[in-house]
Amino acid sequence: EAGVAQSPRYKIIEKRQSVAFWCNPISGHATLYWYQQILGQGPKLLIQFQNNGVVDDSQLPKDRFSAERLKGVDSTLKIQPAKLEDSAVYLCASSLVQQDPGTEAFFGQGTRLTVV
Amino acid sequence: AQSVSQHNHHVILSEAASLELGCNYSYGGTVNLFWYVQYPGQHLQLLLKYFSGDPLVKGIKGFEAEFIKSKFSFNLRKPSVQWSDTAEYFCAVRGGTYKYIFGTGTRLKVLA
Repeated sequence: EAGVAQSPRYKIIEKRQSVAFWCNPISGHATLYWYQQILGQGPKLLIQFQNNGVVDDSQLPKDRFSAERLKGVDSTLKIQPAKLEDSAVYLCASSLVQQDPGTEAFFGQGTRLTVV
Repeated sequence: AQSVSQHNHHVILSEAASLELGCNYSYGGTVNLFWYVQYPGQHLQLLLKYFSGDPLVKGIKGFEAEFIKSKFSFNLRKPSVQWSDTAEYFCAVRGGTYKYIFGTGTRLKVLA
């Protein structure tokens, strides 16, 4: 089956600019996650969607980050304005049914963002 | 709140050596536990998972992990590592909120 698709793979922007990342989950996966992975750290959950509704966005810096999942399929994550500390890899993941205890998350390749 | 601790940040082994990576979690309820691996230049992939039953779980590529509830641990093991096991390994816990909480990762380098 096709995996989680993300674009772009790499992005370099100046601070205070805006940037958007796109994710297409595995077909049929109801749950979609965005993670931020800073160099040397594990992935940190930013936001979790169930279909097109937000389940958890407690760690999303809402003053600058926003995300949407229109029609419960594709998702975009936006940063505006970007700060130097936003430099990280942004990972998108999806899973089939969140209530299934054994369900696993499938990850995309990620987008490596560098803010200069 | 859920959290995951991985105590070994960098591990260097020679081929054929045995591997054990530590993982401890903090969560009072029923948990599902995972080990993910990230090979250089690739995306995170599932190695193995535990959600019920036999606490000794076998995964791909000869890896296994043991869930010890009393110790809140889920250590990853492999009896004999290969050069191709060079990667970063992440332990993750999934509790009642259905989100995956990851540890900081362990970078394993296997010397040929």
